[in-house]
Amino acid sequence: SFELTQPPSVSVSPGQTARITCSGETLPNQYVYWYQKKPGQAPVLLIRKDSERPSGIPERFSGSTSGTTVTLTISGVQAEDEADYYCQSADPSPTYVFASGTKVTV
Amino acid sequence: EVQLVESGGGLVKPGGSLRLSCAASGFTFSSYSMNWVRQAPGKGLEWVSSISSSSSYIYYADSVKGRFTISRDNAKNSLYLQMNSLRAEDTAVYYCARDVVFFSGGMDVWGQGTTVTVSS
Repeated sequence: SFELTQPPSVSVSPGQTARITCSGETLPNQYVYWYQKKPGQAPVLLIRKDSERPSGIPERFSGSTSGTTVTLTISGVQAEDEADYYCQSADPSPTYVFASGTKVTV
Repeated sequence: EVQLVESGGGLVKPGGSLRLSCAASGFTFSSYSMNWVRQAPGKGLEWVSSISSSSSYIYYADSVKGRFTISRDNAKNSLYLQMNSLRAEDTAVYYCARDVVFFSGGMDVWGQGTTVTVSS
């Protein structure tokens, strides 16, 4: 299978911008999905296919891609955005892989 | 309301078995592929298994292959995970999740999870 790499943690002040990267050698050929996970709650799909925002997801969440790195950007971070964030992708096997996650502290 | 509700978790001894269920409502269950994803205590999300809408295609993570079996009953709007030969490392919260498109599109609906504890 393949691996996805995220930074373990990101710290950001309220109102600032948080950027979380997801790196993998196979990402130029695969879509990435982003999830928000809060303790005791189910994961929430934030971004699909690198940059598409599902309905109901606030506009401050956006995704972008450049080569082997995909980035989740949270603009104007709010206290409620404090959570773990996971990127996910699928290879042609098919196999789903999640990265180890990034803890965002506001 | 679109909803997934898991059940069947509990405490089981190493080597034992458990069957998880996921009841779907609010959408046409038979049109969607489904997944099981787990999160061990203090760890990240881990994909466990996927099944296509008609059960024609089934896939497993290497960590559970040969021990777990995913299945579904579209008439009952239900997804299942039969877990055999359980190990301590299978201890986790198990979530069922709906695929937007089979292995493409992300998992857009999740249940609240059911806890499995494997311990003697």
